[in-house]
Amino acid sequence: SQQGEEDPQALSIQEGENATMNCSYKTSINNLQWYRQNSGRGLVHLILIRSNEREKHSGRLRVTLDTSKKSSSLLITASRAADTASYFCATDDYNTDKLIFGTGTRLQVFP
Amino acid sequence: GAVVSQHPSRVICKSGTSVKIECRSLDFQATTMFWYRQFPKKSLMLMATSNEGSKATYEQGVEKDKFLINHASLTLSTLTVTSAHPEDSSFYICSARYPEQFFGPGTRLTVL
Repeated sequence: SQQGEEDPQALSIQEGENATMNCSYKTSINNLQWYRQNSGRGLVHLILIRSNEREKHSGRLRVTLDTSKKSSSLLITASRAADTASYFCATDDYNTDKLIFGTGTRLQVFP
Repeated sequence: GAVVSQHPSRVICKSGTSVKIECRSLDFQATTMFWYRQFPKKSLMLMATSNEGSKATYEQGVEKDKFLINHASLTLSTLTVTSAHPEDSSFYICSARYPEQFFGPGTRLTVL
């Protein structure tokens, strides 16, 4: 399977805590993106990090990328109940230009 | 950001019927659109790449005669699930590049 792996599969935390999700992939990439999906809804694009970047910030989000290990992490700081959703990483395959999704992490933030 | 719409958002049909799902890019032109399928609590699986003016490219294991894709214009791609069966019940999501991929809100198909 080309699909990337994410861990943990599920994460439950209290409001105010930080949430860290990890993503590993298999092929060479142009960039890596993180998406959020509320239950039964479409995807919301969160952040894109290019293959020559190592870290990127956007508000309470921090993304790192290690191309040597083919891995990325998404950190959500000071989480809120509204952050409850599924989070997916997606890699833009260098050879095929297709977007390949990771298995996803279901985040539950308790108020 | 760019907007991609899907219609219908939800459809229930009887086994054996065909269902058409539309994907539109509302404020940009897209020569390439993508169709994904998502099972409950699972990730998105790419089904096919829809190319304006040419045949769609299907991923391995996806039946092209079952899932008909037509990219008739630069703003519209359609996915037709032919002779639908209960196992085709799923959440179908389309996306279009501009230049990163923007996703539609999805269509939930339930086949009785």
